[in-house]
Amino acid sequence: ETGVTQTPRHLVMGMTNKKSLKCEQHLGHNAMYWYKQSAKKPLELMFVYNFKEQTENNSVPSRFSPECPNSSHLFLHLHTLQPEDSALYLCASSQDWWGSETQYFGPGTRLLVL
Amino acid sequence: AQKVTQAQTEISVVEKEDVTLDCVYETRDTTYYLFWYKQPPSGELVFLIRRNSFDEQNEISGRYSWNFQKSTSSFNFTITASQVVDSAVYFCALRQETSGSRLTFGEGTQLTVNP
Repeated sequence: ETGVTQTPRHLVMGMTNKKSLKCEQHLGHNAMYWYKQSAKKPLELMFVYNFKEQTENNSVPSRFSPECPNSSHLFLHLHTLQPEDSALYLCASSQDWWGSETQYFGPGTRLLVL
Repeated sequence: AQKVTQAQTEISVVEKEDVTLDCVYETRDTTYYLFWYKQPPSGELVFLIRRNSFDEQNEISGRYSWNFQKSTSSFNFTITASQVVDSAVYFCALRQETSGSRLTFGEGTQLTVNP
C-alpha cells in the first residue's frame, strides 16, 4: 500500500449504531487530520494530530471521537450520529503540522446516516 | 482571518479547449502558502501544486500552469488543451503561517470536459 488509505470506503449506519473509520498513512509523516466534506460546503477541518497528540479540535460534537494510537494510524469513532452527519470523511497526513507542509489525502469514507 | 474564493462553481468546455480556474484569497499574514488540489469522482483529493508567498514565479507542469499575482491576491490555474480525464472538482486552498495546520479551502470549481 502507498500513500494514505481509508476503510471502509462506504458506510451506512443508523443513528443508534457505533462504527469506526480507519485511516493509515504509509508516508512516514508525523501529522494526521480528519476533514468533513458535505454537499455544497467547503471542506471542514475536524481534528489534527501531531506525533499522536491532538493539537486541534475544531469544535466537533462529542459524537465524533478521534483516536491516534501511533503516527501511522488514525481512527474516527462514531456514535449516535445524526442524518446531517452524512458526508465524505477525508483523512490526510503531512510531514509536520505547521509551516509549508503539504497535506496528502486519502480516498475518503462516504458515510450515510439513516 | 483567511478566506479563499472560487467564484466559478461550474465550468464546461469541449476537449482541447484551454480553461482557467480562478482563485482569490484573503490573508493578513506576509508568509502563507497556496495549494491546488484535484478531486475526481472517486473522492480522493490529489495534490497538484504548492506555492509560498515569497515565490511569485509562475509555474508550468505539462498542460498545467499557475499564475500567482500578489498584487491581486490571485492564484489562477490554467489547463491547456483540456482532456476528458481533467473532469473533476478543483480546490484552491490557503495556509497562513500563523494558523498552524489550518488549511482553508475554497468551495471548489466543477470542471466538465466534454468529448
